[in-house]
Amino acid sequence: DAGITQSPRHKVTETGTPVTLRCHQTENHRYMYWYRQDPGHGLRLIHYSYGVKDTDKGEVSDGYSVSRSKTEDFLLTLESATSSQTSVYFCAISGQGASPLHFGNGTRLTVT
Amino acid sequence: AQKVTQAQTEISVVEKEDVTLDCVYETRDTTYYLFWYKQPPSGELVFLIRRNSFDEQNEISGRYSWNFQKSTSSFNFTITASQVVDSAVYFCALSWYRGGGADGLTFGKGTHLIIQP
Repeated sequence: DAGITQSPRHKVTETGTPVTLRCHQTENHRYMYWYRQDPGHGLRLIHYSYGVKDTDKGEVSDGYSVSRSKTEDFLLTLESATSSQTSVYFCAISGQGASPLHFGNGTRLTVT
Repeated sequence: AQKVTQAQTEISVVEKEDVTLDCVYETRDTTYYLFWYKQPPSGELVFLIRRNSFDEQNEISGRYSWNFQKSTSSFNFTITASQVVDSAVYFCALSWYRGGGADGLTFGKGTHLIIQP
C-alpha cells in the first residue's frame, strides 16, 4: 500500500474555529490532492498540488486553503469551519500524470 | 468541461447474479484515462483498473470485466456471479489535464452495490 497518513482520523470542532488537516506521504510523489466525500455527491476535489508550493483550486475550494512547503506534506485548512464542511476528507497521491490515485484512510470531520 | 455520470445510485441483487455498473463520461481531451475504484463498507478507496482512451479492448480480471466503448463514451463494469464481498460503493473516474504539470481525476457520484445473500 502507498504510504499515506492522514491526521487526525476523527475531529469534532465548533463553528467558526480554524481546523487543519494533515496529509503525509512517504512515496516522494509529485501530486497530492484533497477530496471531500458527501452522500449524493461522490468525491469532489477541493485543492491539489503538483509540486512544492504549486497548488491550485478544485471544484469546491471556497472556505479552504492549502499549503505544501515540502514534498511529503500537504495541509488543508478550514479558516473558519462551518456546518456545511462536515464531511469525510480524503487525501490522495500519484507519481505521474494520469496515474492511479492512492488514497489515505480519510478524516471524518464534524462541525457542530 | 469534464463530467462523469453514474446514473445508478443504488443497485441491489441476489448473490450469484451478474450485475453491470454504468459509467458515461464527457471530455474534450483526445487522450484520457478512465478508472474504477471500490469503496467497501470499511471506507478505504481501492483502485481497480485504468484504461487508456486508445485501448478499447475489453478487460477481464477474474469475475470482473470492463467494457470501454468510445463511440458511446461509456466505461461499464460487470461483476459476474456476484458475492456478498462485492458489496461496496463503486466510483468511475476520468483524468483531466490543465497544463503546467497539473492533472488529476474527476469522479462520478458512485453506485452503491448491495449483494444480498
